[in-house]
Amino acid sequence: NAGVTQTPKFQVLKTGQSMTLQCAQDMNHEYMSWYRQDPGMGLRLIHYSVGAGITDQGEVPNGYNVSRSTTEDFPLRLLSAAPSQTSVYFCASSSQGFYYEQYFGPGTRLTVT
Amino acid sequence: EDQVTQSPEALRLQEGESSSLNCSYTVSGLRGLFWYRQDPGKGPEFLFTLYSAGEEKEKERLKATLTKKESFLHITAPKPEDSATYLCAVQAAAELTGANNLFFGTGTRLTVIP
Repeated sequence: NAGVTQTPKFQVLKTGQSMTLQCAQDMNHEYMSWYRQDPGMGLRLIHYSVGAGITDQGEVPNGYNVSRSTTEDFPLRLLSAAPSQTSVYFCASSSQGFYYEQYFGPGTRLTVT
Repeated sequence: EDQVTQSPEALRLQEGESSSLNCSYTVSGLRGLFWYRQDPGKGPEFLFTLYSAGEEKEKERLKATLTKKESFLHITAPKPEDSATYLCAVQAAAELTGANNLFFGTGTRLTVIP
């Protein structure tokens, strides 16, 4: 049981490039979410999903897209990277919802130059 | 404005020296308060959920308590392996359902010196 996995672990992008951060979980959790963590700020929710085919915006969705075609996978797409998107990104999953125990992945450290 | 504040930002303890971390909140109706542990370079790991004032939860050397304005994470006789950043998150009541009412604090970085 691998839990929540994220790839890549590190990524450097140039401004304007696009990329996809991958997230997968093998716990059959319906709820999945993406957060970003910046120095001096708490974790902030980007997008979330309550099941396959259902996604919605969180607190800071601008510049990011998501889709959920399967229960296991929840990729996060950066459409046109900007330096303000330099951050550490965490994917999380939960069996009961965001207001219960969440399992977090190891994170992706993204730098946009 | 809904807000979660953790103090202190950083705490250094000698091994065996007990202390407490604080999470104070000002939210519109508390639905739940969560504590997570985060090791450097890793994702947060769930510790506790508290739902109502007076509630307490324990796990090994950690004990979380909740009042109407704040939560404390008490660490008894800490060991070096307890060194980590401890995050607090608060779920507030919201007029509209959704996931935008979960607020994380910035954490307390705990270092336990052997």
